[in-house]
Amino acid sequence: DSGVTQTPKHLITATGQRVTLRCSPRSGDLSVYWYQQSLDQGLQFLIQYYNGEERAKGNILERFSAQQFPDLHSELNLSSLELGDSALYFCASSVEQEGGYTFGSGTRLTVV
Amino acid sequence: GQNIDQPTEMTATEGAIVQINCTYQTSGFNGLFWYQQHAGEAPTFLSYNVLDGLEEKGRFSSFLSRSKGYSYLLLKELQMKDSASYLCAVRDYDDYKLSFGAGTTVTVRA
Repeated sequence: DSGVTQTPKHLITATGQRVTLRCSPRSGDLSVYWYQQSLDQGLQFLIQYYNGEERAKGNILERFSAQQFPDLHSELNLSSLELGDSALYFCASSVEQEGGYTFGSGTRLTVV
Repeated sequence: GQNIDQPTEMTATEGAIVQINCTYQTSGFNGLFWYQQHAGEAPTFLSYNVLDGLEEKGRFSSFLSRSKGYSYLLLKELQMKDSASYLCAVRDYDDYKLSFGAGTTVTVRA
């Protein structure tokens, strides 16, 4: 157990639907990062939060949004889902912006 | 932005040594990381280099040359359990996020 908790582990949903992925960082970690990993692509950076504030944004689609709450857990919201959104979504956390990452076990999203 | 290149696949024999190269071009460099990822699982941290030279950690070593934009991960005394994808990642100077290469799939054969 890495200490980073992601729920749910698996999610199957239909096109056009909206889902929420949840991440609880390791105790004491202030930074949360979201990544998408598709079969034919590597880890693609989506967004970063530090102590509740958005700090960096990657190629995140407008249909996707995220936030980090006062208790430091984070949620990634994916809406108007398309088949191409099927992927593994990883959350990672670190002590501060300069720290190395610890990854959660991921949420496997399948859009049918 | 970051541009990170590493070979797609490598195959080696149990007990042998394999070297995975990584080249990068970056607008701001603040460290290079190597992660191991088994299929369908989370990446796990292997090594970190921020200064030039070799870092050794048991059977794994990582080397960095900042002037050449080059790193390698050396896996010694290969075991079957080392069959996995190895990800090279560069940390950005401004926002500290990690940008990952596509990964190198290493297959260890008996």
